[in-house]
Amino acid sequence: KNEVEQSPQNLTAQEGEFITINCSYSVGISALHWLQQHPGGGIVSLFMLSSGKKKHGRLIATINIQEKHSSLHITASHPRDSAVYICAPSPNYGGSQGNLIFGKGTKLSVKP
Amino acid sequence: DAGVTQSPTHLIKTRGQQVTLRCSPISGHKSVSWYQQVLGQGPQFIFQYYEKEERGRGNFPDRFSARQFPNYSSELNVNALLLGDSALYLCASSYHPDRASTDTQYFGPGTRLTVL
Repeated sequence: KNEVEQSPQNLTAQEGEFITINCSYSVGISALHWLQQHPGGGIVSLFMLSSGKKKHGRLIATINIQEKHSSLHITASHPRDSAVYICAPSPNYGGSQGNLIFGKGTKLSVKP
Repeated sequence: DAGVTQSPTHLIKTRGQQVTLRCSPISGHKSVSWYQQVLGQGPQFIFQYYEKEERGRGNFPDRFSARQFPNYSSELNVNALLLGDSALYLCASSYHPDRASTDTQYFGPGTRLTVL
């Protein structure tokens, strides 16, 4: 079983729709990152959170540490949101800070 | 201010060869991490370096090695290349490694390595 599971793997939405991407993990963590990867490979860090909820523009990220679950929401989706969204928890074992484990990503396509 | 830079952007090698990838972190960032992303998969952690010392290593063979220089730039070396080493190699920098798990990591554009 993978340490990080994301769902759905692929998501197609119409412009304006509300989108939710889910992430479940099985390890103890100190923080969880949501990343966005565009075609060509460039990765941008969207959020880093260790509890509760964070909001940035149309993006909202939540985390429930007890349930080992996080969600990324996009309100009023737009074609420019089309990308792969990756959940990356930072485990609190092994003594290595900065070691992220990654989900396989959710490929989002927003149609105009 | 420049972000994380990596060179080269693309590289083609043949099996058995050796390759060196380079990364320059954001100015003031002292920690560099390397990740391998095989097509269709999420990235996998290879190494983390801070102040020229290895702070963490992922599950990769000894053919993979890295180092960090006094100016905090880093090199990733892969020896005896295999077809399976074909991937996008990502470098990320953060300011403080002891809080790296809670520090935002800034990613470079990656080096795409193709092994024929």
